[in-house]
Amino acid sequence: GNSVTQMEGPVTLSEEAFLTINCTYTATGYPSLFWYVQYPGEGLQLLLKATKADDKGSNKGFEATYRKETTSFHLEKGSVQVSDSAVYFCARNTDKLIFGTGTRLQVFP
Amino acid sequence: DSGVTQTPKHLITATGQRVTLRCSPRSGDLSVYWYQQSLDQGLQFLIQYYNGEERAKGNILERFSAQQFPDLHSELNLSSLELGDSALYFCASSQPGSNQPQHFGDGTRLSIL
Repeated sequence: GNSVTQMEGPVTLSEEAFLTINCTYTATGYPSLFWYVQYPGEGLQLLLKATKADDKGSNKGFEATYRKETTSFHLEKGSVQVSDSAVYFCARNTDKLIFGTGTRLQVFP
Repeated sequence: DSGVTQTPKHLITATGQRVTLRCSPRSGDLSVYWYQQSLDQGLQFLIQYYNGEERAKGNILERFSAQQFPDLHSELNLSSLELGDSALYFCASSQPGSNQPQHFGDGTRLSIL
């Protein structure tokens, strides 16, 4: 089937730690892949995207590389800040956008 | 600011009632999507409209319906409300194409008492 699997949260880190949030997908064809972020009390915001294999999306210090061979799109950031605390959603899009369950990130000073 | 506007921001009503949620998409976006976000179900796709016509259906209950008007704004109608319908309802809009991201509004928080 077509789905997106994310690592369960919460992920709890100290400020300036390295972040990885795993995401794998199943899909027929070649989906576009997205990471969205939802800050408390707000809607989802597009964080980054990649539309073909080996593409790297990046924004605000976050990066994710479209890995066709492992069907993955892991989100990384080298040094997290308290302001990065939010819920992160991985999503894939072929005929419709399918979201993962979301991973809550909590960053403490 | 995503450019997608949803009203109202909050809605409190009782079981059995009917409500209408409104969405104005980003300028130029022809597709509108509705999602329900609840604690136990996560983010669920409800329905998509493209240029006034229904394009795709997800986990939308028969008590719920939507439409997109000629000016491209959309409304989601929820009727015979139940306690379990309490959730955040998001609207998103996008340009055509699977590589185009969806842009989300800030949502309507619906509370059923």
